[in-house]
Amino acid sequence: GQQVMQIPQYQHVQEGEDFTTYCNSSTTLSNIQWYKQRPGGHPVFLIQLVKSGEVKKQKRLTFQFGEAKKNSSLHITATQTTDVGTYFCVNAGGTSYGKLTFGQGTILTVHP
Amino acid sequence: GAGVSQSPSNKVTEKGKDVELRCDPISGHTALYWYRQSLGQGLEFLIYFQGNSAPDKSGLPSDRFSAERTGGSVSTLTIQRTQQEDSAVYLCASSPRPTYNEQFFGPGTRLTVL
Repeated sequence: GQQVMQIPQYQHVQEGEDFTTYCNSSTTLSNIQWYKQRPGGHPVFLIQLVKSGEVKKQKRLTFQFGEAKKNSSLHITATQTTDVGTYFCVNAGGTSYGKLTFGQGTILTVHP
Repeated sequence: GAGVSQSPSNKVTEKGKDVELRCDPISGHTALYWYRQSLGQGLEFLIYFQGNSAPDKSGLPSDRFSAERTGGSVSTLTIQRTQQEDSAVYLCASSPRPTYNEQFFGPGTRLTVL
């Protein structure tokens, strides 16, 4: 599948600050997924976005899929120490069977 | 219910030895995937199994890597003549069917080749 690029690679925030990670593709994506991996853990599915311009919220997390379906973002409001981990955007539409192509991820550190 | 399990959790081996990594998917999940995660990197797709269909091996990095899935359930990833660059965490994931929204990952096997 098409590789997706994520920025920033690292982000350090104070607890309570907001955080945003961005994901970009050079080609149109059929859908995009976001996964979270805690330190020492395995990736855990957060959400899938399919529609152009789609916005989904999960408590303090807001996910967006761009109008052209070439970019996506994850925004966390008022970060908590439990938000620590690596956030991956994932191209999930490159094949007919759900092969995932992971971005490099954004490592989030939250200082109490 | 039980999640995806993998064994061993850690494996240290000497260069040139063969290793076998095991994955037990969630019961009833027909789709099974293997990924590799090198230190500080994203996940790299290795191979995909679906039922009795021929697997997609397009992500295997060399012919030293092979995988089987017996009876549509347990899968084994075998690396022959291991090299230091094979050191990584090997993750298995399963889903109820292909293109299901979510893949469920196991805890991984950390492979270290000395």
